Amino acid sequence: EAGVAQSPRYKIIEKRQSVAFWCNPISGHATLYWYQQILGQGPKLLIQFQNNGVVDDSQLPKDRFSAERLKGVDSTLKIQPAKLEDSAVYLCASRSSTGRAFFGQGTRLTVV
Amino acid sequence: EDQVTQSPEALRLQEGESSSLNCSYTVSGLRGLFWYRQDPGKGPEFLFTLYSAGEEKEKERLKATLTKKESFLHITAPKPEDSATYLCAVPNYGQNFVFGPGTRLSVLP
Repeated sequence: EAGVAQSPRYKIIEKRQSVAFWCNPISGHATLYWYQQILGQGPKLLIQFQNNGVVDDSQLPKDRFSAERLKGVDSTLKIQPAKLEDSAVYLCASRSSTGRAFFGQGTRLTVV
Repeated sequence: EDQVTQSPEALRLQEGESSSLNCSYTVSGLRGLFWYRQDPGKGPEFLFTLYSAGEEKEKERLKATLTKKESFLHITAPKPEDSATYLCAVPNYGQNFVFGPGTRLSVLP
């Protein structure tokens, strides 16, 4: 079974630039999450999708972050403009019908 | 608000030295408690799900247990390859996962 695919693996940008991350969940998983993981901390939810609808984006900094899941399959997370404190690993996960979440390898973002 | 805490923050063990990691949670209606392992530079990898107090699950040198307020991950005779960060998480009412900060385990040969 193919896992959750994310790209790119690493990205370095200057502050105030924009960046986009892509995620392709496991086939058939209706629920997709984006998490932010700052070094030394547990993952923190940014946004949750059910198919192509947003279920929870209460912790998404909407002045600079946006996410979409067109057609209910793959998803894109964008940051514009980036700040230094956005340096983190961005994890995408999808959830199976058993309730278990499967994570991708993550994208490590460094903002300089 | 749902919360998950973990202790200790970091743990160093000698190979073969057994120990336990703790995960405490406050959640309105437990819908399962999940343990994940995370290696450096990788995403979390699923280990166990526990649903009710008294439940236990085992996998190789790991055993997870659950009470009404906390879960323990027992590591018996650990090996260096068990070194990783161990995360626990609970789903909230919206079925997204609230994670603890993790325990960084180092097993020295």
